[in-house]
Amino acid sequence: AQKITQTQPGMFVQEKEAVTLDCTYDTSDPSYGLFWYKQPSSGEMIFLIYQGSYDQQNATEGRYSLNFQKARKSANLVISASQLGDSAMYFCAMREGMDSSYKLIFGSGTRLLVRP
Amino acid sequence: EAGVAQSPRYKIIEKRQSVAFWCNPISGHATLYWYQQILGQGPKLLIQFQNNGVVDDSQLPKDRFSAERLKGVDSTLKIQPAKLEDSAVYLCASSLLGFNQPQHFGDGTRLSIL
Repeated sequence: AQKITQTQPGMFVQEKEAVTLDCTYDTSDPSYGLFWYKQPSSGEMIFLIYQGSYDQQNATEGRYSLNFQKARKSANLVISASQLGDSAMYFCAMREGMDSSYKLIFGSGTRLLVRP
Repeated sequence: EAGVAQSPRYKIIEKRQSVAFWCNPISGHATLYWYQQILGQGPKLLIQFQNNGVVDDSQLPKDRFSAERLKGVDSTLKIQPAKLEDSAVYLCASSLLGFNQPQHFGDGTRLSIL
């Protein structure tokens, strides 16, 4: 089974509107962390936001927030007030506590296009 | 703070040739990662170093790929001989120790095999 699933290959959003990018994960480890990265067409991966499995509150970072629903094993990224510069690939990734290497497992990504 | 530096930015070689990539992590970052990202997919970990020791190389095709991190700072990843399926972007990342520490990525090397 895939550890990280991103079911939306591509999405459109109108500038200044909010958009939700879906991410579901699969793990039996009670300790895990979830990360979101942005990859513009230039290629670099930019860290956006982190949510730990024991965190009581949903993570927020500026215009980014994470809708963390532990029972449903989902960690959706919400981008508020979309900007043209938000057009990029977005990757959800997970790190498991029982994996001593702490490596990240990435999903297949969602391409977001912001329309003017 | 300077980011993760990678070179070259692009490389084109013929199959069966060899190629090497270089990475200099963020100063003070003990952990260094090499990822392979095939077009349309998420990055896949090839090898992870902590200081100059290998932590995880379970997905590194060791018959053709090798990597080293001498002195626990910069690192090189080599492919010899290259195959067509090695065409990908090779990303280097580094991080501080800690479960909640994010990985910071370089711009990557885009490798094309002819």
